[in-house]
Amino acid sequence: DAGITQSPRHKVTETGTPVTLRCHQTENHRYMYWYRQDPGHGLRLIHYSYGVKDTDKGEVSDGYSVSRSKTEDFLLTLESATSSQTSVYFCATRASSGGANEQFFGPGTRLTVL
Amino acid sequence: GQQVMQIPQYQHVQEGEDFTTYCNSSTTLSNIQWYKQRPGGHPVFLIQLVKSGEVKKQKRLTFQFGEAKKNSSLHITATQTTDVGTYFCAAHNFNKFYFGSGTKLNVKP
Repeated sequence: DAGITQSPRHKVTETGTPVTLRCHQTENHRYMYWYRQDPGHGLRLIHYSYGVKDTDKGEVSDGYSVSRSKTEDFLLTLESATSSQTSVYFCATRASSGGANEQFFGPGTRLTVL
Repeated sequence: GQQVMQIPQYQHVQEGEDFTTYCNSSTTLSNIQWYKQRPGGHPVFLIQLVKSGEVKKQKRLTFQFGEAKKNSSLHITATQTTDVGTYFCAAHNFNKFYFGSGTKLNVKP
Protein backbone atom coordinates (compact mmCIF):
# COMPACT_ATOMS: atom_id res chain seq x y z
CA ASP A 1 0.00 0.00 0.00
CA ALA A 2 1.04 3.57 -0.61
CA GLY A 3 2.18 5.55 2.41
CA ILE A 4 -1.07 7.24 3.32
CA THR A 5 -1.90 8.29 6.83
CA GLN A 6 -4.98 9.98 8.21
CA SER A 7 -5.33 11.93 11.41
CA PRO A 8 -7.06 11.74 13.70
CA ARG A 9 -8.23 8.14 13.38
CA HIS A 10 -11.18 8.72 15.68
CA LYS A 11 -12.93 11.91 16.73
CA VAL A 12 -16.04 12.76 18.67
CA THR A 13 -17.24 16.33 18.45
CA GLU A 14 -20.34 18.39 19.06
CA THR A 15 -22.73 19.92 16.59
CA GLY A 16 -21.61 23.34 15.43
CA THR A 17 -17.90 22.90 16.07
CA PRO A 18 -15.29 23.06 13.28
CA VAL A 19 -13.40 19.89 12.46
CA THR A 20 -10.35 19.35 10.27
CA LEU A 21 -9.20 15.96 9.05
CA ARG A 22 -5.75 15.49 7.61
CA CYS A 23 -4.49 13.18 4.92
CA HIS A 24 -0.77 12.78 4.39
CA GLN A 25 0.94 10.83 1.59
CA THR A 26 4.56 9.99 0.91
CA GLU A 27 4.10 8.71 -2.65
CA ASN A 28 4.14 12.06 -4.46
CA HIS A 29 0.82 11.17 -6.11
CA ARG A 30 -0.82 13.97 -8.03
CA TYR A 31 -4.43 13.25 -7.19
CA MET A 32 -5.98 13.12 -3.73
CA TYR A 33 -9.55 12.37 -2.77
CA TRP A 34 -11.84 12.60 0.22
CA TYR A 35 -14.73 10.12 0.52
CA ARG A 36 -17.31 9.42 3.15
CA GLN A 37 -18.63 5.93 3.75
CA ASP A 38 -22.08 5.31 5.15
CA PRO A 39 -24.06 2.06 5.33
CA GLY A 40 -25.93 1.40 2.10
CA HIS A 41 -24.16 4.18 0.20
CA GLY A 42 -20.73 2.81 -0.56
CA LEU A 43 -18.11 5.52 -0.89
CA ARG A 44 -19.20 8.97 -1.97
CA LEU A 45 -16.76 11.56 -3.24
CA ILE A 46 -16.68 14.79 -1.25
CA HIS A 47 -13.86 16.75 -2.89
CA TYR A 48 -10.73 15.93 -4.78
CA SER A 49 -7.49 17.62 -5.75
CA TYR A 50 -5.59 17.38 -9.01
CA GLY A 51 -2.58 19.35 -7.83
CA VAL A 52 -1.36 21.86 -5.27
CA LYS A 53 -4.07 24.48 -4.78
CA ASP A 54 -6.24 22.76 -7.42
CA THR A 55 -9.43 21.24 -6.06
CA ASP A 56 -12.90 20.38 -7.30
CA LYS A 57 -16.21 19.28 -5.84
CA GLY A 58 -17.50 15.77 -5.67
CA GLU A 59 -21.06 14.54 -5.37
CA VAL A 60 -21.56 15.37 -1.67
CA SER A 61 -19.52 18.55 -1.15
CA ASP A 62 -22.05 20.68 0.76
CA GLY A 63 -20.81 21.51 4.26
CA TYR A 64 -17.21 20.58 3.44
CA SER A 65 -14.18 22.49 2.25
CA VAL A 66 -10.68 21.32 1.36
CA SER A 67 -7.22 22.71 0.95
CA ARG A 68 -4.02 21.41 -0.55
CA SER A 69 -1.01 23.65 0.05
CA LYS A 70 1.56 20.88 -0.43
CA THR A 71 1.61 17.79 -2.61
CA GLU A 72 1.66 15.51 0.40
CA ASP A 73 -1.18 17.02 2.45
CA PHE A 74 -4.90 17.27 1.77
CA LEU A 75 -7.13 18.73 4.48
CA LEU A 76 -10.87 18.28 4.83
CA THR A 77 -12.72 20.85 6.95
CA LEU A 78 -16.21 20.74 8.32
CA GLU A 79 -16.84 24.39 9.12
CA SER A 80 -19.76 23.65 11.45
CA ALA A 81 -20.25 19.95 12.02
CA THR A 82 -23.74 18.45 11.92
CA SER A 83 -24.98 15.03 13.01
CA SER A 84 -25.52 14.09 9.35
CA GLN A 85 -21.75 14.31 8.91
CA THR A 86 -21.19 11.41 11.30
CA SER A 87 -19.41 8.95 9.06
CA VAL A 88 -16.18 7.18 8.23
CA TYR A 89 -13.95 9.37 6.09
CA PHE A 90 -11.39 7.90 3.72
CA CYS A 91 -8.64 9.68 1.92
CA ALA A 92 -7.27 8.22 -1.31
CA THR A 93 -4.46 9.04 -3.69
CA ARG A 94 -3.81 8.30 -7.32
CA ALA A 95 -0.75 8.78 -9.47
CA SER A 96 -0.98 10.80 -12.68
CA SER A 97 -3.39 9.82 -15.42
CA GLY A 98 -2.71 6.70 -17.39
CA GLY A 99 -1.96 3.18 -16.32
CA ALA A 100 -4.31 1.40 -13.97
CA ASN A 101 -5.69 4.56 -12.34
CA GLU A 102 -5.50 2.67 -9.09
CA GLN A 103 -6.60 4.52 -5.98
CA PHE A 104 -4.75 3.88 -2.73
CA PHE A 105 -6.79 4.42 0.40
CA GLY A 106 -5.80 5.56 3.85
CA PRO A 107 -6.95 3.75 7.01
CA GLY A 108 -9.97 6.03 7.54
CA THR A 109 -11.17 8.44 10.22
CA ARG A 110 -14.29 7.64 12.21
CA LEU A 111 -16.06 10.90 13.03
CA THR A 112 -19.00 11.13 15.41
CA VAL A 113 -20.93 14.39 15.69
CA LEU A 114 -23.16 14.53 18.76
CA GLY B 1 -23.25 12.59 -11.50
CA GLN B 2 -22.81 9.11 -12.78
CA GLN B 3 -24.68 6.40 -10.92
CA VAL B 4 -23.58 2.83 -10.58
CA MET B 5 -26.04 0.31 -9.18
CA GLN B 6 -24.64 -2.78 -7.48
CA ILE B 7 -26.46 -5.96 -6.46
CA PRO B 8 -26.95 -7.84 -4.29
CA GLN B 9 -26.42 -5.81 -1.14
CA TYR B 10 -25.58 -8.90 0.91
CA GLN B 11 -24.63 -12.47 0.11
CA HIS B 12 -24.19 -15.30 2.56
CA VAL B 13 -22.58 -18.45 1.20
CA GLN B 14 -21.20 -21.69 2.49
CA GLU B 15 -17.48 -22.08 2.03
CA GLY B 16 -16.87 -23.68 -1.34
CA GLU B 17 -19.90 -22.11 -3.01
CA ASP B 18 -19.57 -19.56 -5.78
CA PHE B 19 -20.36 -15.85 -5.46
CA THR B 20 -21.19 -13.15 -7.99
CA THR B 21 -21.78 -9.42 -7.65
CA TYR B 22 -23.07 -7.21 -10.44
CA CYS B 23 -22.72 -3.55 -11.34
CA ASN B 24 -24.93 -1.69 -13.77
CA SER B 25 -24.88 1.79 -15.22
CA SER B 26 -27.41 3.59 -17.40
CA THR B 27 -24.58 5.24 -19.30
CA THR B 28 -21.59 3.85 -21.13
CA LEU B 29 -18.54 3.62 -18.90
CA SER B 30 -15.00 4.42 -19.99
CA ASN B 31 -13.70 1.86 -17.53
CA ILE B 32 -14.67 0.17 -14.29
CA GLN B 33 -12.65 -0.76 -11.25
CA TRP B 34 -13.20 -3.28 -8.48
CA TYR B 35 -12.15 -2.92 -4.84
CA LYS B 36 -12.33 -5.16 -1.80
CA GLN B 37 -12.76 -3.90 1.74
CA ARG B 38 -12.16 -6.30 4.61
CA PRO B 39 -14.21 -5.75 7.78
CA GLY B 40 -12.77 -2.76 9.64
CA GLY B 41 -10.34 -2.04 6.83
CA HIS B 42 -9.99 0.26 3.88
CA PRO B 43 -10.79 -0.43 0.21
CA VAL B 44 -8.04 -2.14 -1.76
CA PHE B 45 -7.83 -2.04 -5.54
CA LEU B 46 -8.35 -5.36 -7.29
CA ILE B 47 -8.50 -4.62 -11.01
CA GLN B 48 -9.51 -2.23 -13.76
CA LEU B 49 -11.42 -3.20 -16.91
CA VAL B 50 -11.30 -0.98 -19.97
CA LYS B 51 -12.27 -2.87 -23.11
CA SER B 52 -15.72 -3.94 -24.23
CA GLY B 53 -16.30 -7.61 -23.39
CA GLU B 54 -13.06 -7.80 -21.41
CA VAL B 55 -12.56 -10.77 -19.07
CA LYS B 56 -9.74 -10.90 -16.54
CA LYS B 57 -8.90 -13.54 -13.99
CA GLN B 58 -7.04 -13.41 -10.71
CA LYS B 59 -6.83 -16.93 -9.30
CA ARG B 60 -10.43 -17.72 -8.24
CA LEU B 61 -11.75 -14.26 -9.18
CA THR B 62 -13.15 -13.55 -12.65
CA PHE B 63 -14.00 -10.02 -13.72
CA GLN B 64 -16.10 -9.18 -16.76
CA PHE B 65 -16.95 -5.95 -18.55
CA GLY B 66 -20.09 -6.02 -20.67
CA GLU B 67 -20.09 -5.65 -24.42
CA ALA B 68 -21.94 -2.34 -24.16
CA LYS B 69 -19.64 -1.20 -21.32
CA LYS B 70 -22.66 -0.58 -19.11
CA ASN B 71 -22.28 -3.49 -16.75
CA SER B 72 -19.65 -5.53 -15.00
CA SER B 73 -19.46 -8.55 -12.75
CA LEU B 74 -17.10 -10.15 -10.27
CA HIS B 75 -17.35 -13.90 -9.80
CA ILE B 76 -15.56 -15.85 -7.11
CA THR B 77 -15.26 -19.61 -7.59
CA ALA B 78 -15.25 -21.85 -4.53
CA THR B 79 -15.29 -19.15 -1.87
CA GLN B 80 -12.98 -19.29 1.10
CA THR B 81 -13.26 -17.57 4.47
CA THR B 82 -10.53 -15.20 3.34
CA ASP B 83 -12.95 -13.82 0.73
CA VAL B 84 -15.09 -12.22 3.44
CA GLY B 85 -15.55 -8.50 2.94
CA THR B 86 -17.38 -5.93 0.88
CA TYR B 87 -16.76 -5.72 -2.85
CA PHE B 88 -17.22 -2.40 -4.63
CA CYS B 89 -17.26 -1.46 -8.26
CA ALA B 90 -16.26 2.07 -9.22
CA ALA B 91 -16.81 3.96 -12.45
CA HIS B 92 -14.12 6.40 -13.46
CA ASN B 93 -15.25 9.57 -15.22
CA PHE B 94 -12.51 12.12 -15.90
CA ASN B 95 -10.92 12.61 -12.49
CA LYS B 96 -13.88 11.44 -10.43
CA PHE B 97 -14.87 8.00 -9.22
CA TYR B 98 -18.43 6.82 -8.58
CA PHE B 99 -18.72 3.79 -6.35
CA GLY B 100 -21.48 1.24 -6.22
CA SER B 101 -23.06 0.65 -2.82
CA GLY B 102 -21.12 -2.58 -2.44
CA THR B 103 -21.91 -6.26 -1.90
CA LYS B 104 -21.11 -7.60 1.54
CA LEU B 105 -19.97 -11.23 1.36
CA ASN B 106 -20.13 -13.51 4.34
CA VAL B 107 -18.64 -16.99 4.07
CA LYS B 108 -19.63 -19.69 6.54
CA PRO B 109 -16.89 -22.23 7.21
